[in-house]
Amino acid sequence: QQQVKQSPQSLIVQKGGISIINCAYENTAFDYFPWYQQFPGKGPALLIAIRPDVSEKKEGRFTISFNKSAKQFSLHIMDSQPGDSATYFCAASTQGKSTFGDGTTLTVKP
Amino acid sequence: EAGVVQSPRYKIIEKKQPVAFWCNPISGHNTLYWYRQNLGQGPELLIRYENEEAVDDSQLPKDRFSAERLKGVDSTLKIQPAELGDSAVYLCASSPSARSAQYFGPGTRLLVL
Repeated sequence: QQQVKQSPQSLIVQKGGISIINCAYENTAFDYFPWYQQFPGKGPALLIAIRPDVSEKKEGRFTISFNKSAKQFSLHIMDSQPGDSATYFCAASTQGKSTFGDGTTLTVKP
Repeated sequence: EAGVVQSPRYKIIEKKQPVAFWCNPISGHNTLYWYRQNLGQGPELLIRYENEEAVDDSQLPKDRFSAERLKGVDSTLKIQPAELGDSAVYLCASSPSARSAQYFGPGTRLLVL
């Protein structure tokens, strides 16, 4: 049973545009929701994370929006740049155990 | 601060051969994770250590996979014998505690022929 569903699978955005990636979860015990960025040949790197007691967190061009009642959260990348082209994974964690989405491949065209 | 170190970075073996992966976590990180990442998918947890104790190994195929974390620092993941379906990237991650952010190493890319 896949507990974290991520969409879209791939995304193409023009430079300067907004990239939006969505995730939905099932287990209400999840209490930590990180987003990771992964470049080819590298391990995932933590981008930004949120706990369910807040509805939004912003760090630079990256924002997480969290909807606890809908069990959904999303990553917004403002002013997308070609250097943002990578695979993005959402994850949901409880008691130290993380479940990852299947990833979104983002391509930002110059 | 040095990140998570993994070796080797790449490994090609014949099926039925043994293989081992090594991980050195970030200094002071008590929690260590081993993940497997198949192509086009997110990482899947194999085992989690708190210090030297394996606290979650429910997804580890114990008939062929084994892991250890001696002295609560470095860790080794072993596969014996390897099967074609074991071809994947094996990622090690560490965190200060179970409820903290995880920091991943670069992974070991395994190809079983």
